Order: sequence, then C-alpha cells, then structure tokens
Amino acid sequence: ETGVTQTPRHLVMGMTNKKSLKCEQHLGHNAMYWYKQSAKKPLELMFVYNFKEQTENNSVPSRFSPECPNSSHLFLHLHTLQPEDSALYLCASSQDLGGRGGQETQYFGPGTRLLVL
Amino acid sequence: DQQVKQNSPSLSVQEGRISILNCDYTNSMFDYFLWYKKYPAEGPTFLISISSIKDKNEDGRFTVFLNKSAKHLSLHIVPSQPGDSAVYFCAASDSQTGANNLFFGTGTRLTVIP
Repeated sequence: ETGVTQTPRHLVMGMTNKKSLKCEQHLGHNAMYWYKQSAKKPLELMFVYNFKEQTENNSVPSRFSPECPNSSHLFLHLHTLQPEDSALYLCASSQDLGGRGGQETQYFGPGTRLLVL
Repeated sequence: DQQVKQNSPSLSVQEGRISILNCDYTNSMFDYFLWYKKYPAEGPTFLISISSIKDKNEDGRFTVFLNKSAKHLSLHIVPSQPGDSAVYFCAASDSQTGANNLFFGTGTRLTVIP
C-alpha cells in the first residue's frame, strides 16, 4: 500500500450508533489531518495532529473524537451523529517542517462517504 | 467568511485548447498556494503549488500564476486533455502562523470535450 488509505470507503449509520473511521499513511509523514467536505462547501479542517499531538481542533462537536496512536495512523470515532454530519470525510498527511515558515503539501486519502440516518 | 474563493463552479473547454481556472483570496498573509485535482470517488490529488516569492510556476502542461496585488491566482492547462476533466480546488496557507491550516475554495468542475 502506498500513499494515504482510508477505511471504510462508505458508511451508513444510525444516530445512536458508534463507529470509527481509520486512516493510514505510508509516506513517512509526521502530521495528519481530518477534513469534512459537505456538498457545495469548501473542505473544512477538523483536526490536526503533529507528531501524534493534537494541535488544532476547529470547534468540532464532541460527537467527533480523534485518536492518533502513532504518526502513521489516525482514527475518527463517531458517536450519536446527526443527519447533517453526512459528508465526505477526508484524511491527509504532510511532513511538518517544524517551526514557522514551513510550506507543506498535504496528501489526501480517498475519503469515507458517511451517511447518517 | 470564505478566505479562498473559486467563483466559477464549472468550466467547459474543447480538447487541445487552454483551460484557465481562477481563484481569489482575501487574506494578504497567505504565502503558499496549491492546486488540487479531484476525480469522483477519490481524494484530492496535489497538482502544483507556488510560493508567494514567485509569480509563476510551471510543471509540464500546468502553470500557476500568482498576482499578489490582486490577491488572485490562476491555473492554466495547455493543451487540455479529456483526462483533465475533474474538480479543481485552490488552497492557501499562511506559513508564519499555521502551515498546517489549509484554506480551500469550493472547487471548479472542468470538463474537457473531446
């Protein structure tokens, strides 16, 4: 496997379910991201992990819970979601250049298409 | 308020002609700009980038132009090919305050007609 992989590719869940999205990067990067893409909206950054530490949480509701056990794996745990949470969830990774002034390119996985009923 | 805007949701171009995709931004602190291409059922794929110290970057058929005074960038594809049909996203970041934080436009769907 190369690049950034995500599983599952499609997920349908009820509002009372608990599920997890998985992301794995094979690029040797040290930063990983979760994005949400809703219809006709720009990609919204949800969470950033640098060196396994969460550095950004863009006002995401607590029903989304990220986990980064190591620099290659990232999870998004889902609990009591709402129908408006239905979207494409994208994982990305990059090589954090450290400090300020870095210009990093993020590489994306194929996404998980989530439908909340 | 959106800091990166792609005002054309779609664009159709004849094969062999030039495709020009436009992007505007509002944050003058942005200093790194990227274009991504997305096919259906796939994640965005990095295409080309440009730093604010340059006004042009070229990679094969793809050229990105940056006009800092107008806060505008564009992606030129020449010659356009049917395989270029995809959604193109513009993104920007301010490396001094948050290199990790990429701001995306809503995308432009390019259709190249054979």
